[in-house]
Amino acid sequence: GQQVQQSPTSLVLQEGENAELQCNFSTSLNSMQWFYQRPGGSLVSVFYNPSGTKQSGRLTSTTVIKERRSSLHISSSQITDSGTYLCAMERSHTNTGKLTFGDGTVLTVKP
Amino acid sequence: AQTIHQWPVAEIKAVGSPLSLGCTIKGKSSPNLYWYWQATGGTLQQLFYSITVGQVESVVQLNLSASRPKDDQFILSTEKLLLSHSGFYLCAWSLGSNERLFFGHGTKLSVL
Repeated sequence: GQQVQQSPTSLVLQEGENAELQCNFSTSLNSMQWFYQRPGGSLVSVFYNPSGTKQSGRLTSTTVIKERRSSLHISSSQITDSGTYLCAMERSHTNTGKLTFGDGTVLTVKP
Repeated sequence: AQTIHQWPVAEIKAVGSPLSLGCTIKGKSSPNLYWYWQATGGTLQQLFYSITVGQVESVVQLNLSASRPKDDQFILSTEKLLLSHSGFYLCAWSLGSNERLFFGHGTKLSVL
């Protein structure tokens, strides 16, 4: 089965609404990251969040390692938030820097 | 500040032709380097990683090879492209394992 499961697959919001993206992992992990993938494909690191809660502006990430889950909360969404959000984990007991990615959540924010 | 540069931005190549993609990292010595690949509509997956010059480990077999000729340079290549090589190739760096990963802008490859 898939090691990194993201939900929802897609999300459509009106500008100003909040978004909650989820990521669940099937194996124990050392760390996880959230990325924003631009329409052209390039990746922007949003959060590096091994555990706990981190906030950056309107974005908040909460990772609970024991429960193998992480969430990304976007408050007061803007049209420019549209795109694909990917979460990725680095498995425990590995030393390859290998990130296993989820399939992503496609977020569309409408005016 | 660290910068990561990938080239070319895009390539259209014929099946059976050779390929060379490059990646350079500036502003950071001895980084871990990685090649990732994403088929159109697919999931990103790691292809290679390198901890030091001259050493490259393969993670997924895709009839591709990688080399690290210099501390700041990572090359992805093949002598014969397949249709299945089409997709988006991303180079990335980190300070080590379990560290934040930073990606280049990627190369879009179309094999016809």
